[in-house]
Amino acid sequence: GAVVSQHPSWVICKSGTSVKIECRSLDFQATTMFWYRQFPKQSLMLMATSNEGSKATYEQGVEKDKFLINHASLTLSTLTVTSAHPEDSSFYICSARLAGGPVEQYFGPGTRLTVT
Amino acid sequence: GQNIDQPTEMTATEGAIVQINCTYQTSGFNGLFWYQQHAGEAPTFLSYNVLDGLEEKGRFSSFLSRSKGYSYLLLKELQMKDSASYLCAVPVDSNYQLIWGAGTKLIIKP
Repeated sequence: GAVVSQHPSWVICKSGTSVKIECRSLDFQATTMFWYRQFPKQSLMLMATSNEGSKATYEQGVEKDKFLINHASLTLSTLTVTSAHPEDSSFYICSARLAGGPVEQYFGPGTRLTVT
Repeated sequence: GQNIDQPTEMTATEGAIVQINCTYQTSGFNGLFWYQQHAGEAPTFLSYNVLDGLEEKGRFSSFLSRSKGYSYLLLKELQMKDSASYLCAVPVDSNYQLIWGAGTKLIIKP
């Protein structure tokens, strides 16, 4: 149980275009989802925390107008990278917590974004 | 401030035992996680400690001392597939968002 999927697993896009990444909790309801970014040889960096039905809370230094997060249901959150640039190329990972459940977060497999 | 420290890199021999340490300073405490992450993949859950002491799970064990702000992950009978980064993380705030250590890259040599 507690499976999280991400789609797509990898994507290549041209500079200036927008890319949407989906994060789904497949067998549980997630009130809270987290979005992370990870550059090569670095640890995970939390970008934002998303509670279902509420606006996402962004970490300092993360542009909310560039990284649009929507958490419209208890099983789906989306991250849209708008007007992507090569420096946005990274590994994006989402995680989810069970509604009213334990502290543990369940991670999606990640999405590799390459902006050319 | 909130801070988690762990060694950057460690090297060990196949079949041996290695201990990866983690020290933390956080406001409040809701337990401590250890994750394993292979290159290009998402982290996978290894352990979660809330109470002091050692918890054993097969070849992997995790220890916690809340009074010392200290944890370690013990890996026994090392295998080549254990070569990965090991991340220590502490959940904080009402959403239990994770504060991450920088990760320890473990290199296993034959």
